[in-house]
Amino acid sequence: EAQVTQNPRYLITVTGKKLTVTCSQNMNHEYMSWYRQDPGLGLRQIYYSMNVEVTDKGDVPEGYKVSRKEKRNFPLILESPSPNQTSLYFCASKGQGAFHEQFFGPGTRLTVL
Amino acid sequence: QKEVEQDPGPLSVPEGAIVSLNCTYSNSAFQYFMWYRQYSRKGPELLMYTYSSGNKEDGRFTAQVDKSSKYISLFIRDSQPSDSATYLCASKLQGYQKVTFGTGTKLQVIP
Repeated sequence: EAQVTQNPRYLITVTGKKLTVTCSQNMNHEYMSWYRQDPGLGLRQIYYSMNVEVTDKGDVPEGYKVSRKEKRNFPLILESPSPNQTSLYFCASKGQGAFHEQFFGPGTRLTVL
Repeated sequence: QKEVEQDPGPLSVPEGAIVSLNCTYSNSAFQYFMWYRQYSRKGPELLMYTYSSGNKEDGRFTAQVDKSSKYISLFIRDSQPSDSATYLCASKLQGYQKVTFGTGTKLQVIP
């Protein structure tokens, strides 16, 4: 089954404790993104990757890091989480080309205390 | 000003009603217009997309784009309780991968 998986699905942590949210896709997609979704603000892109070892900032990159060492994986790293990073996070992937459907993972609900 | 604006609702309609969901956008260079549906506790999934202006129909769903007024619409005919979800409009430039989303409209269809 073609899918994007994320782990963990739910996470409660404390300020300053480094964490990683994993994302993996099995569709051989080149393009992968991380979004955060907040009430009234919608989906905002954090980082994206056009291919292995190629990453770039989205609209709200502050406080986040990413890496793309393998095509299928695109982890999101919060080196020193703060309460304003409490949010619902989605990983997504799509093929390159004129138009390709973007597939989203199930989401990770993060709470930073 | 957000590039894609959407009324957050919530919108509550009786089963069988025709639903109209709308968005406006500011970037006249957008060429692809999408509607995503997001059920509670799930990721968004693509419902349908259109390229440039015009209408596109898929079963009970019709997407409409008016580039002259920068208006995006989604119509749902004979709405069902299973249509209850948040609907996100989105747009993108041709040749670019980035998708810009509206904030989403929460729809509830009451049996």
